[in-house]
Amino acid sequence: NFLLAQPHSVSESPGKTVTISCTRSSGSIASSYVQWYQQRPGSSPTIVIYDDNQRPSGVPDRFSGSIDSSSNSASLTISGLRTDDEADYYCQSFDDTSYRRVFGGGTKLTVL
Amino acid sequence: EVQLVESGGGLVQPGRSLRLSCAASGFTFDNYAMHWVRQVPGKGLEWVSGISWNSGSIGYADSVKGRFTISRDNAKNLLYLQLNSLRVEDMALYYCAKGSHDYGGHFDSWGQGTQVTVSS
Repeated sequence: NFLLAQPHSVSESPGKTVTISCTRSSGSIASSYVQWYQQRPGSSPTIVIYDDNQRPSGVPDRFSGSIDSSSNSASLTISGLRTDDEADYYCQSFDDTSYRRVFGGGTKLTVL
Repeated sequence: EVQLVESGGGLVQPGRSLRLSCAASGFTFDNYAMHWVRQVPGKGLEWVSGISWNSGSIGYADSVKGRFTISRDNAKNLLYLQLNSLRVEDMALYYCAKGSHDYGGHFDSWGQGTQVTVSS
């Protein structure tokens, strides 16, 4: 079993760029795809990045994802920050030896 | 349009049981895996269980293994989660989520959730 570690919170100003990390505790980050979900207060989560770096239709290209095998981590980068990007962001992956899915602890993004 | 509507939540005493349902519409239900994810208010998301399109692959979080059972009825477009031996720590908002593929993939649609409260 592995864990996904995220920073508890990040903050940045409108128009700037922020990166949220997601570090896998054991096993290779590249062994199974990483997804990113956005959850605004009072709402259900929505997918913003899937399969490491793919954007669903309707998600602006300000959102991008990547993985880095050297640090065994995935990253979500949001550029041109807007106030409505303020939300909780969760990374998620799966255990390729079972049917188990894993979420990171979530990162609260504040745009101020 | 994909719609997932959870029901069956409520107040239950520790040790008792509850059955959650998720009614799916707007897509071909038996083509996709389905999952349950829960969230304690103010806390993070926790994957609870998942089931492949034909129920051939099923998984559970360690925290619920042996107590919860996931199932699906493809003829009725329904997903279920049977919650037995409930504990205070099972109290959460339970979301139904659609997988993007028949076996796995990501969670591409979510319901609004049904609240489970465990208290004596």
